[in-house]
Amino acid sequence: DSGVTQTPKHLITATGQRVTLRCSPRSGDLSVYWYQQSLDQGLQFLIHYYNGEERAKGNILERFSAQQFPDLHSELNLSSLELGDSALYFCASSVEPGLETQYFGPGTRLLVL
Amino acid sequence: GQQVMQIPQYQHVQEGEDFTTYCNSSTTLSNIQWYKQRPGGHPVFLIQLVKSGEVKKQKRLTFQFGEAKKNSSLHITATQTTDVGTYFCAGKYGGSQGNLIFGKGTKLSVKP
Repeated sequence: DSGVTQTPKHLITATGQRVTLRCSPRSGDLSVYWYQQSLDQGLQFLIHYYNGEERAKGNILERFSAQQFPDLHSELNLSSLELGDSALYFCASSVEPGLETQYFGPGTRLLVL
Repeated sequence: GQQVMQIPQYQHVQEGEDFTTYCNSSTTLSNIQWYKQRPGGHPVFLIQLVKSGEVKKQKRLTFQFGEAKKNSSLHITATQTTDVGTYFCAGKYGGSQGNLIFGKGTKLSVKP
């Protein structure tokens, strides 16, 4: 158990819909990262928040957005969903941006039908 | 953009054989990290290499960081069925402000 929690574990929805994925970082971690992992693909970095502020954007679509709240939990919002958005979405946390490791949550498996 | 290339994509070995996966970057890395993802699981941190030419060992696993800090390798000696999973390298560029760029991973299967 990494100490990072993600909800829900599974999500099935239809094309065109909007969903929200939630992540709670490890206690004391200020940084939250979101990744997308498609079947047989690596981890695609989406976005990074540090202490409530956006720090970096990766390959995140305009239909996707995220935020980090004062209690440091983060939400990833996916809208106008397409079949290709079906994937595992991981969040990871670290103490702060730097040279240290990232701790991954169990992931949310999204299936868009 | 910055990319970390990882090979091979798949590796099938007989239990007891050795295994190596390689990562390469076209530009210098600040550090490189290695993660393991078991089937159905999430990535779990294994190790971080920071210094040029660094070599670290964890039991049967040996991690190396190249002299130019552009490549790295993970070698497993005498694989066991518990080694099954996907091994990812993740390179960091740009010092403390950089983000991790993950390789596509090497999926290891071990035949008993």
